[in-house]
Amino acid sequence: QQKVQQSPESLIVPEGAMTSLNCTFSDSASQYFAWYRQHSGKAPKALMSIFSNGEKEEGRFTIHLNKASLHFSLHIRDSQPSDSALYLCAVSINSGTYQRFGTGTKLQVVP
Amino acid sequence: DMKVTQMPRYLIKRMGENVLLECGQDMSHETMYWYRQDPGLGLQLIYISYDVDSNSEGDIPKGYRVSRKKREHFSLILDSAKTNQTSVYFCASSLPGGAPLFGEGTRLSVL
Repeated sequence: QQKVQQSPESLIVPEGAMTSLNCTFSDSASQYFAWYRQHSGKAPKALMSIFSNGEKEEGRFTIHLNKASLHFSLHIRDSQPSDSALYLCAVSINSGTYQRFGTGTKLQVVP
Repeated sequence: DMKVTQMPRYLIKRMGENVLLECGQDMSHETMYWYRQDPGLGLQLIYISYDVDSNSEGDIPKGYRVSRKKREHFSLILDSAKTNQTSVYFCASSLPGGAPLFGEGTRLSVL
């Protein structure tokens, strides 16, 4: 069964800093990789996704994927207090299967 | 307006009582999900439904059953609830292979 793990468990960064969140997965056949953000007491919401090796940038957010290392990451440039949330990574074998989620990284951005 | 609606939002039950959690979506999505979220465990898939009466077990189906008689409606049933089923339950829906759109969750306490 696919194992998806995130690090660190929690993180405190100052406003304006670069934040890096990590996700590792166990099944090398995985094809779809995504990040979700969940503010306290709210629903998880899809943030970004990637299918192929390399990086993808959307605004202040960048995903890096290295399938050979079974690792992908989320980088947040110029972190803001509103970015404070639980970040969940998710992996699926292909577009037709359901995603498995990691246990999450709790990010706090302090002014 | 794309929305997944969960009812009730909060629920307190006694051990041994039956519990019905309901979920609706207005997007005609074929795929619907039930997850539970516990601290340190992330989102765990209980059941997935690929369409009406086409349901499959997820990673933690024991103690739960589901019903989907209409595409827009998906129910989670706990027969004789147990204290270890205290959790936050999220329903979600998606197009096949797409990112799930989550409801706001039901916070269930089993005393």
